[in-house]
Formats: sequence, structure tokens, C-alpha cells
Amino acid sequence: DAGVIQSPRHEVTEMGQEVTLRCKPISGHDYLFWYRQTMMRGLELLIYFNNNVPIDDSGMPEDRFSAKMPNASFSTLKIQPSEPRDSAVYFCASSPSGTSHIQYFGAGTRLSVL
Amino acid sequence: KQEVTQIPAALSVPEGENLVLNCSFTDSAIYNLQWFRQDPGKGLTSLLLIQSSQREQTSGRLNASLDKSSGRSTLYIAASQPGDSATYLCAFYNTDKLIFGTGTRLQVFP
Repeated sequence: DAGVIQSPRHEVTEMGQEVTLRCKPISGHDYLFWYRQTMMRGLELLIYFNNNVPIDDSGMPEDRFSAKMPNASFSTLKIQPSEPRDSAVYFCASSPSGTSHIQYFGAGTRLSVL
Repeated sequence: KQEVTQIPAALSVPEGENLVLNCSFTDSAIYNLQWFRQDPGKGLTSLLLIQSSQREQTSGRLNASLDKSSGRSTLYIAASQPGDSATYLCAFYNTDKLIFGTGTRLQVFP
């Protein structure tokens, strides 16, 4: 398996633009997680899905952020409109199950909002 | 709210030394613990997973322990090598969610 695949690897955009980050989890994994990493706050969980259903979105910073998982092999994280403080590395991870299993991380998307 | 602290924040050592990285947490009602490695510009790689009923796990030169009563976990790296240079993160499961520590940036020089 190719692992968790994220695209794009790098994204540079201007303030106010819409940004869409994409993730393909490992086939057969039931859980998908979106994280954000910054120097100030470290790694934070934004939202996670179980069997394509959002379970906990309490980490989503505000209404400008939304995430979807239309099927078991694809998820998106959208920011509209983007702001400079959204600049961070966004990671997607997947797991075959919940707490008893290792989470496997993608390489991340580095987002810069100018 | 669970808080996870890692000490030291940064560490620079010569090759061959045995190392101990520390991780402490405030809420003993954790499920499992996972140690990760992150290389610059890369994602996270899982090193060890300790179930809440276990006290330690070993993989090669790595050994991780978990003491829920004291709220601590340690990662022991034996005979460190330059290739071990990376940031090491501990993370605790709160139900299905991982709560990450602040990280220890390790540099091993030849």
C-alpha cells in the first residue's frame, strides 16, 4: 500500500481565497483524522471520521473550516476564506480502528496564506 | 483538559550515548500511548504503541515505558546514531483522539 496520500504538498495562496486540501487514506482503514501543526500550538486534532461519518469536529477553529468524506477513499479539508493565521502544515492520518491501533500519517500539506 | 509536556525541548549529544526522553501528562485516565518520530518537512512515523494495560514496549534500540500512576512515559534510545536525529513526539489516546506532546528535538552528532 502507498500509505496515506495528501495533495498538494505545498500550497501558497492569497488571503480571502478558497483552499482545498485532499487526503486518500490507506485502503481498509475505518478512521480518518485531520491535524494542524504550527510552531505556537504544536499538533492539534481538527476533526475525525469513522466510516465516513464525522465523529468529533470540536477542534475545527471556526466556520471558515469544513471537512468532508464522501467515500471511504477520499476526504477534503476546505478553508473559505483563508487568512494568514491559517498558515500551517496540515496532516491527514488513518487508522484501521480506534484507540488500539497505530495512526498512519501522510506527508502533510504546507499551506502559506499571504 | 489533558496537557502533555515533553522534557527536554531540545537535546544535542555525541554519537553512541544512551538517551532518555520524558513525557508527562495530567490526566491518568488515558487509553494508549504512542511515540512518533518526525523528520524535518516530513510526516510522522510511529515508533511504538503501548496499550494502557502494558508497562513497556521495545523495538530494536528503542524502549518505551508507561507509568499511569505517576503520569509519565519515557523513551529510551540505546547507542544513539546520527540517523536518530529528528523530533520525537509522544501522544496519548483520549478515546479515539490523539493528544500530542510538545516534542523533543534531538540532534546526534558524529
